[in-house]
Amino acid sequence: DTAVSQTPKYLVTQMGNDKSIKCEQNLGHDTMYWYKQDSKKFLKIMFSYNNKELIINETVPNRFSPKSPDKAHLNLHINSLELGDSAVYFCASSQEGTGEETQYFGLGTRLLVL
Amino acid sequence: AQSVTQLGSHVSVSEGALVLLRCNYSSSVPPYLFWYVQYPNQGLQLLLKYTTGATLVKGINGFEAEFKKSETSFHLTKPSAHMSDAAEYFCAVSGPNAGKSTFGDGTTLTVKP
Repeated sequence: DTAVSQTPKYLVTQMGNDKSIKCEQNLGHDTMYWYKQDSKKFLKIMFSYNNKELIINETVPNRFSPKSPDKAHLNLHINSLELGDSAVYFCASSQEGTGEETQYFGLGTRLLVL
Repeated sequence: AQSVTQLGSHVSVSEGALVLLRCNYSSSVPPYLFWYVQYPNQGLQLLLKYTTGATLVKGINGFEAEFKKSETSFHLTKPSAHMSDAAEYFCAVSGPNAGKSTFGDGTTLTVKP
C-alpha cells in the first residue's frame, strides 16, 4: 500500500530509444509532479499537474511529454533518449498544489542511457 | 521569484555531536519553508515545515528548525547526531499559491562513529 509508486525502479536503455515511466498515488491528492535528480543530487521540477491539468512546465526539452489520465496517475514519456537524460526521476504528489502542503515522493526511477 | 541557498554541500559530525545544516532563502512573498531528508536509494520525505505561527518548528527524529525572517534563514538542528541521520538534506521554499517548491542543492550529512 505504497502512497506514491513508480515503475520501473530501474531503466537501462540505448540512446535514441523511447521509454515511459509510470506513477500512481493512492493518497487522494489533486496535484502530481515530476522531478529530475542529477548525479550531483540536484533536484529540479519538470512538470506539475493539478486534476489532470498541466500547471507547471519548466524548461524541459519537448522530448519529454507528461500525461495524466486521471488525478491519481501521472506518466512521463521520453522520446529519443540522450546520454544527458541519465538521472533519477521522482514522482511526487500533494493535496492541492497551493504551496504550503507537504509533497510525498516515490522511490524514484533510475534511468541510465548508454 | 524564490530561491534557496544551502551553505555547505557536505557536513560531517561525530556521533553525539550537534547537527547544524544551514539554509537561507529569498522570497518576495511570505515564505513557506521545508526540510526534506533523502536516505540512500529512497525518495524525499518531510522532516518539518514552517507555514505560519510559531517560528520554532519541531520535526521527526529529533530535528528542529527556526524561521528567522530578519536573517532570511531556516537552519536545521539536532542536539545529538545518530549514525542513522546520515543522509541528504534538502531545504525548500514555496509561497502562497506558488504551486511548486524550489529546492536547494542539498547537504550531505556524514556521521562518524
